[in-house]
Amino acid sequence: QITLKESGPTLVKPTQTLTLTCTFSGFSLTTSGEGVGWIRQSPRKALEWLGIIYWDDDKRYSPSLKNRVTITKATSKTQVVLTLTNMDPEDTATYYCVHRQTTIIVGAAFDIWGQGTTVTVS
Amino acid sequence: DIQMTQSPSTLSASVGDRVTITCRASQSISTWLAWYQQRPGKAPKLLISKASNLESGVPSRVSGSGYGTEFTLTISSLQPDDLATYYCQQYNSFPYTFGQGTKLEIK
Repeated sequence: QITLKESGPTLVKPTQTLTLTCTFSGFSLTTSGEGVGWIRQSPRKALEWLGIIYWDDDKRYSPSLKNRVTITKATSKTQVVLTLTNMDPEDTATYYCVHRQTTIIVGAAFDIWGQGTTVTVS
Repeated sequence: DIQMTQSPSTLSASVGDRVTITCRASQSISTWLAWYQQRPGKAPKLLISKASNLESGVPSRVSGSGYGTEFTLTISSLQPDDLATYYCQQYNSFPYTFGQGTKLEIK
């Protein structure tokens, strides 16, 4: 059974850097076809894809974040870290860590979601 | 970016009704489309991938169809458990994008 859980600060100040950790179980991010992404949902309720990291360490990011976002694998092998620099009140949202359907094809939906963690920028 | 537009934004229906939600993409995405259900206070849940593939455990009253730029999510017989907001998402190309959501209300 695949599970993911987000952790990190609930409150950050404008201009600070946000670091969120996704701790997962039930799969290995070194296995072909695996990937972990980040999605956020603002108080306006819109869902926004932030980026994804793949089993081979390939990464894709949302251009709208203008190089502010970085996703990395932690040395623990069961964690992925999201870093978002220069936080702004507009970044206030619930942040979800998500598992990508296991496939070597580039396109895949997100089949398992973490519970989400709410971050307020103020 | 590919824009995803859902209609309607809100839908009110009675138990037993057949309901349909539409999602339109600003350019062709083949069948690289997913549908998610988000119940109040919960994380979204994947219902359908590749436009029409029902995820394991999802009731058979739920179905998806479409190709290219127009897609539909249909619930054949609405149940109280279906109260939720539904989102479509394209994964044809980066950045992946979502529709704005359709809030389904039970009369």
